[in-house]
Amino acid sequence: DIVMTQTPLSLSVTPGQPASISCKSSQSLLHSDGKTYLYWYLQKPGQSPQLLIYEVSNRFSGVPDRFSGSGSGTDFTLKISRVEAEDVGVYYCMQSIQLFTFGPGTKVDIK
Amino acid sequence: EVQLVESGGGLVQPGRSLRLSCAASGFTFDDYAMHWVRQAPGKGLEWVSGISWNSGSIGYADSVKGRFTISRDNAKNSLYLQMNSLRAEDTALYYCAKGRYYGSGSYIDYWGQGTLVTVSS
Repeated sequence: DIVMTQTPLSLSVTPGQPASISCKSSQSLLHSDGKTYLYWYLQKPGQSPQLLIYEVSNRFSGVPDRFSGSGSGTDFTLKISRVEAEDVGVYYCMQSIQLFTFGPGTKVDIK
Repeated sequence: EVQLVESGGGLVQPGRSLRLSCAASGFTFDDYAMHWVRQAPGKGLEWVSGISWNSGSIGYADSVKGRFTISRDNAKNSLYLQMNSLRAEDTALYYCAKGRYYGSGSYIDYWGQGTLVTVSS
C-alpha cells in the first residue's frame, strides 16, 4: 500500500505571507501514461473537503491562483503565495495511482 | 450545481448493520464513478469504497472488505453503502463523493456534507 506523509503537520502563517506544505509518497506516483496522480484538498473548519489541485499542478475550477502545486515522482509541494484568512483549514494530499490514499493533513491557521 | 446529500447515519450497536444513502443531483449521475470516504472524529480522511459508473468495477479498503457493500441505482441517481458487522472503529462521518472515473488516476471532485455513524453499545 502507498503511504503518504506530510510536513509540517501544523503551520501558523501571517496574512499576506507565503506558506508551503510538503507531501511525500512511499512509491512513485508517475503512471505509465505519463501523468502523475497527486492531488491536494482543503478542508475548511466545519466543511467538507474541496479539491484544490489535480495531477500535481492543475488548479481546479474556481481555485485562486495564489495556490500552486509542484513536484514529481514521490516529492510534492503545495504553495500559497500570500495566505488569506479564508485559507485556514486542513490541507490533505492524496494519491490515486493505487486506489486512494490521503496524507495525514496539515493544519494551517493564521497568526 | 453538484449536490450530494447523504442520509442513514445514526447510533448503532457493535455487530449491527446500517445502510447509508446518497442522493445526487446537478450532474449526469451515470457518467461518473462514486465513492464513500470517512473521517473519524478529529482524524484524517480514509477512502472506504468506490464504484464505477455501471457498477462493473468496485473496490474496498482493507479495513471494510467483507463487511461493507457499495452499490448504486442510476435510475434513482443514488449511491448506497451497506455496512454490516459494525465496529467501534467504524465510527466516523461518512462522505459521499463524486469521482471522475473508476480506476488509477481518478480523483474526487465533489463531496457531500457527510452523515455521522456512531457505533457504540
